Amino acid sequence: GAGVSQSPSNKVTEKGKDVELRCDPISGHTALYWYRQSLGQGLEFLIYFQGNSAPDKSGLPSDRFSAERTGGSVSTLTIQRTQQEDSAVYLCASSYIGGPNEKLFFGSGTQLSVL
Amino acid sequence: AQSVTQPDIHITVSEGASLELRCNYSYGATPYLFWYVQSPGQGLQLLLKYFSGDTLVQGIKGFEAEFKRSQSSFNLRKPSVHWSDAAEYFCAVGASGGSYIPTFGRGTSLIVHP
Repeated sequence: GAGVSQSPSNKVTEKGKDVELRCDPISGHTALYWYRQSLGQGLEFLIYFQGNSAPDKSGLPSDRFSAERTGGSVSTLTIQRTQQEDSAVYLCASSYIGGPNEKLFFGSGTQLSVL
Repeated sequence: AQSVTQPDIHITVSEGASLELRCNYSYGATPYLFWYVQSPGQGLQLLLKYFSGDTLVQGIKGFEAEFKRSQSSFNLRKPSVHWSDAAEYFCAVGASGGSYIPTFGRGTSLIVHP
């Protein structure tokens, strides 16, 4: 596609429910990143994909968080048994091969609110 | 591990005034440095980047940044701010080894007064 697409743009859920956030990267980009943006906290790295593999998932805050990527394209971030502290904007980004000086292309994010 | 510090949470300037946003990094080798801008409701967009060569880099929208190794800094500047520059600005550092995952600072919110 023309850019990185994330859906839904907004998600309101009740504490304890599971949510799935979707990211559709730019076609041909092999590297995909998930970040979380909390108020006043900046961007917190969650997980990195190279193709369908996740060589770095060190930023996932707990085992309630998981992510997968299929076909080297679409990625889904799943949060199980959501908690209020999970409320944040979840950002997805992609780049061509994940090189050190590559520009990241970001989606507009999913605003998650846990009530 | 690399880290980035943006010491200013908010910066307020008048339209037409000059701007400097501070960024300090921590990394053992030569870093790859970036500035991104996030306008309200938008995704982050790259303003400029440094990875070698001339330490003064030019970016889009009239922004520039200077890499100073001795000060571990990569400050963003603009000589004359426009109201449309009001946004959140993020400095990021990419490692030269490993998985190259960029580390971002917490951001600086720029407020522009007319």
